[in-house]
Amino acid sequence: GAVVSQHPSRVICKSGTSVKIECRSLDFQATTMFWYRQFPKQSLMLMATSNEGSKATYEQGVEKDKFLINHASLTLSTLTVTSAHPEDSSFYICSARGTTEAFFGQGTRLTVV
Amino acid sequence: AQTVTQSQPEMSVQEAETVTLSCTYDTSESDYYLFWYKQPPSRQMILVIRQEAYKQQNATENRFSVNFQKAAKSFSLKISDSQLGDAAMYFCAQQTGTASKLTFGTGTRLQVTL
Repeated sequence: GAVVSQHPSRVICKSGTSVKIECRSLDFQATTMFWYRQFPKQSLMLMATSNEGSKATYEQGVEKDKFLINHASLTLSTLTVTSAHPEDSSFYICSARGTTEAFFGQGTRLTVV
Repeated sequence: AQTVTQSQPEMSVQEAETVTLSCTYDTSESDYYLFWYKQPPSRQMILVIRQEAYKQQNATENRFSVNFQKAAKSFSLKISDSQLGDAAMYFCAQQTGTASKLTFGTGTRLQVTL
């Protein structure tokens, strides 16, 4: 099946700094990618839909200025958590829309200290 | 808006036995897809099975099969001959059309015992 690579898998950053997470579709072109956040023992919560060449669509309650999404090419979307705070610590997962299904990255565990 | 409900937070099954995970959904759309995803401790989301709403036949993938009751908006997952490697979180998800986002249920944690 198609492969989506997410990097880094783990990151620890200091409060107030920014962190960039990359999501790449390795063997197919993805015009649409999705970014999710998952708290421990909870489901995936959609944060935003990333469309190549256009602005991302954010879900209600997600701060677009804090979670910057860029989808500059058909194989790469990035999520930047700006001015991170401890409450931003979470597991972030991306997925890329394939022809018949969505493929998920391995996830990134972000810890803000 | 679409909603997906999984009413079983946790389930347990003995190895080699069969278990059924429940899922109900709500949508006003006629063109939609339903999925079961597995999330093991590694947290990698793995597609288990997919069902197109327009297909009456229940999807099957080896030991995994679904009972799709369209009128009742029910989409349960049956795991036969359960194996230790089946232990994971299972998420039911629904998608409208082919381009929209997935809506996930709250998940069911499956334990497999010896």
